[in-house]
Amino acid sequence: SAVISQKPSRDICQRGTSLTIQCQVDSQVTMMFWYRQQPGQSLTLIATANQGSEATYESGFVIDKFPISRPNLTFSTLTVSNMSPEDSSIYLCSVRDSGELFFGEGSRLTVL
Amino acid sequence: SQQGEEDPQALSIQEGENATMNCSYKTSINNLQWYRQNSGRGLVHLILIRSNEREKHSGRLRVTLDTSKKSSSLLITASRAADTASYFCATGARAGGTSYGKLTFGQGTILTVHP
Repeated sequence: SAVISQKPSRDICQRGTSLTIQCQVDSQVTMMFWYRQQPGQSLTLIATANQGSEATYESGFVIDKFPISRPNLTFSTLTVSNMSPEDSSIYLCSVRDSGELFFGEGSRLTVL
Repeated sequence: SQQGEEDPQALSIQEGENATMNCSYKTSINNLQWYRQNSGRGLVHLILIRSNEREKHSGRLRVTLDTSKKSSSLLITASRAADTASYFCATGARAGGTSYGKLTFGQGTILTVHP
């Protein structure tokens, strides 16, 4: 199974700032996703990170707010832009491998 | 939108007892997966059951799938305090649609196992 490293693991951010989360996978994977988990809630898919092209966003999520990069098959970044307290969540990177979805440890963001 | 609905939302049992969690979904699926999450950390994949399977075992875990009722259950036998976590079901869409490859997560069940 793929091993996924995310950083930062947690951060406290000020309103109006932006933060970039990095996701590194130990093997080449075709499909990589970004999820958000708001406090006490389940996971919601933000977007599919496509290698070499623009990410595919789910309903309710837009590129201006959550720009995503995926320069190669092992790395992706998610930026949370112009943060507000409502963006306080755990952001999780995941990859699909043999039909299963594997997750990083998540990045817990608190926006003050 | 969340497809999966899980019940109970919270379950509290004593060590050694069995824990059963249920998941219902709405659309046709390719597979259903169960995940575990400890204290808001990353999710750990537990088991995958395909739409043409009815039951699957892995150690102390037993998963059933009833596609006619669009429901699944996760049974943890002889529970331990270390099983305390949140458990999520997630459904994978059938191939050919725009949702293929993505998972839709249920709301989760918080399991507490008392020593």
